Amino acid sequence: DAGVIQSPRHEVTEMGQEVTLRCKPISGHDYLFWYRQTMMRGLELLIYFNNNVPIDDSGMPEDRFSAKMPNASFSTLKIQPSEPRDSAVYFCATRRARDTEAFFGQGTRLTVV
Amino acid sequence: TQLLEQSPQFLSIQEGENLTVYCNSSSVFSSLQWYRQEPGEGPVLLVTVVTGGEVKKLKRLTFQFGDARKDSSLHITAAQTGDTGLYLCAGGGQLTFGSGTQLTVLP
Repeated sequence: DAGVIQSPRHEVTEMGQEVTLRCKPISGHDYLFWYRQTMMRGLELLIYFNNNVPIDDSGMPEDRFSAKMPNASFSTLKIQPSEPRDSAVYFCATRRARDTEAFFGQGTRLTVV
Repeated sequence: TQLLEQSPQFLSIQEGENLTVYCNSSSVFSSLQWYRQEPGEGPVLLVTVVTGGEVKKLKRLTFQFGDARKDSSLHITAAQTGDTGLYLCAGGGQLTFGSGTQLTVLP
């Protein structure tokens, strides 16, 4: 397996634009997590899914953020409209079951100017 | 949401020294995990501790889970420059991460 695949690796966009981040999980992993990492706030959980169903989205900052998992092979995190304070590295992670190892993608570095 | 606090936030030591970093919570966890992250990469799992009082060793790294399963520690013996990185503890079904300890080992 190629591991968790995120795209794009880097994204630079203007304030007000829509941004879509993508994640392909490891096959057979039932849990998928989206995180945001900044120097100030560390690694923050935004939302996680179990068997494609959103379980906890309390970490999603505001209505501008939305996440979907239409099937077991794909998830998206969308920001609309984007703001400069959204600039961060966004990670997708998946794991087979609760309390097992989580595997992270290489992240998407988002810069909103 | 179960919160995890790590200390110290930053640690800079000389090669060959020993160190301990801590991960604390007011909540009970079924398990705690330790990850290490290097610049430009995602975190990578080092160990999972499950039983209260459990001690696990990974070469020069020793991990301990508190008896009450609310805290954990990571001890590194004779640190090497290759140990430099961000050390993160994590736990819970929602995989909450602590704030991390940035370790720098100087030659």
